[in-house]
Amino acid sequence: EPEVTQTPSHQVTQMGQEVILRCVPISNHLYFYWYRQILGQKVEFLVSFYNNEISEKSEIFDDQFSVERPDGSNFTLKIRSTKLEDSAMYFCASSLTVNNSPLHFGNGTRLTVT
Amino acid sequence: SQELEQSPQSLIVQEGKNLTINCTSSKTLYGLYWYKQKYGEGLIFLMMLQKGGEEKSHEKITAKLDEKKQQSSLHITASQPSHAGIYLCGAARSSASKLTFGTGTRLQVTL
Repeated sequence: EPEVTQTPSHQVTQMGQEVILRCVPISNHLYFYWYRQILGQKVEFLVSFYNNEISEKSEIFDDQFSVERPDGSNFTLKIRSTKLEDSAMYFCASSLTVNNSPLHFGNGTRLTVT
Repeated sequence: SQELEQSPQSLIVQEGKNLTINCTSSKTLYGLYWYKQKYGEGLIFLMMLQKGGEEKSHEKITAKLDEKKQQSSLHITASQPSHAGIYLCGAARSSASKLTFGTGTRLQVTL
């Protein structure tokens, strides 16, 4: 069964550094998402992406965050200058349509900012 | 934003027992999604409900969305150790583009 893959599984970075989290969505899916989960808290929506542009974003997704689909298979989340509070599990997801089809999630990247 | 309350927060059941997890929304749901999460892993899609009164089953798991579309329940029949994990409900407001998740129900199944 096709799946969403994320790399790396764990990333440790120093405060102020830039990080790029990578995702390969399911190949025929058209909608892509990033969610995050701070330890012990709810899974929170960050951003959705369709047709090479952001379709919706949350308050968390400020100017420090950006997303890109650099080629036909990868979907990336960049955090320009990481803060301690960015430490979380970041999940990529994809779906075939925006309605009537479920989001399929990857296994996540655990980001630790020191 | 749409608030979702899940109950119970945690549950310990003996293998073979049935159990129910509830998810209640403060607003009418456009769609309700159930996921299972194991520690340190991603969310595994279980079921999607969109119509009031809808009920879906997969293996020993049944999920329902009430007529008013403000509450959903997930029922597991004859629980097994493989059912252990955190069950999350996710609500779609106007579309599935942005899901709001509940706090989760942690299920342990004892032998």
